[in-house]
Amino acid sequence: DIQMTQSPSSLSASIGERVTMTCRASQSIGTSLNWYQQRPGKAPELLIYGASSLQSGVPSRFSGGGSGTDFSLTITSLHPEDFATYSCQQSFSFPPTFGQGTKLEIK
Amino acid sequence: QVQVVQSGAEVKKPGASVMVSCRTTGYDFSDYGIDWIRQAPGQGLEWMGWISGHNGNIKESQRFQGRITMSADTSTSTAYMELRSLTSDDTAIYYCARDRDDAFDVWGQGTVVTVSS
Repeated sequence: DIQMTQSPSSLSASIGERVTMTCRASQSIGTSLNWYQQRPGKAPELLIYGASSLQSGVPSRFSGGGSGTDFSLTITSLHPEDFATYSCQQSFSFPPTFGQGTKLEIK
Repeated sequence: QVQVVQSGAEVKKPGASVMVSCRTTGYDFSDYGIDWIRQAPGQGLEWMGWISGHNGNIKESQRFQGRITMSADTSTSTAYMELRSLTSDDTAIYYCARDRDDAFDVWGQGTVVTVSS
C-alpha cells in the first residue's frame, strides 16, 4: 500500500494569514492526489482533486500543487471557517490511502 | 441536488455485527460506486471497501476481508455495509461516500458505531 505522510500534524495561524501544508507519498503517484477538509463533528468534504483542481464551490483562496511524491495545499488569507483538519488521499493505486491529517487551529 | 444520508448511531456488544445503510438521491445510482471509510476516535480516515452502483462489483481492504459485506439495492439507490465480529477497535464513525473514480466527492453525514460490553 502507498503510505501518505502529512506535515505538520498541527498548525496554528491567525485570521488573514497564508498557510501551506504538505503531503508526501511513499512512491510516485503522478497527480492522483486529493485534499479533503473536515470541520469538527462533520464529514470530510472534497476540496481539491487531481493535485490542483478546485472542486466546484470551493473558494479560490484554496490551491493545491505538486506531482510525483510531494504535494502541497495552500490557503491564502485564512477565514474563520477554514480552521479544520485537512487530509490528503491518493487515488493512484488500490487501495486508496489517506494521510493522518493536518489540524489547522486558530492562533 | 446530490445527497447521501446514512442510518443512525449504533451501540453493539463485542462479537456482534452492525449494518449501516447509505441512501442516495439526486443522481443515477448506477453511474457511480459507493465507498465505505471509517474514522476511529482521534485517528485518520481508513478506506474499507467499494461497491459498484452499476453491477455490484466489490473491492475490499485486506484488513476487513472475511468480516465485511457490502451490498446495494438499485431500486432504492441505497448501499449497505455489514461488519461482523466487532471488537472495541471497531468503535468509529463510519462514512459512505460517492466514488467519482478519481475522488470521493459527496459524503454521508457519518454513522457512529460504538462497541462496548
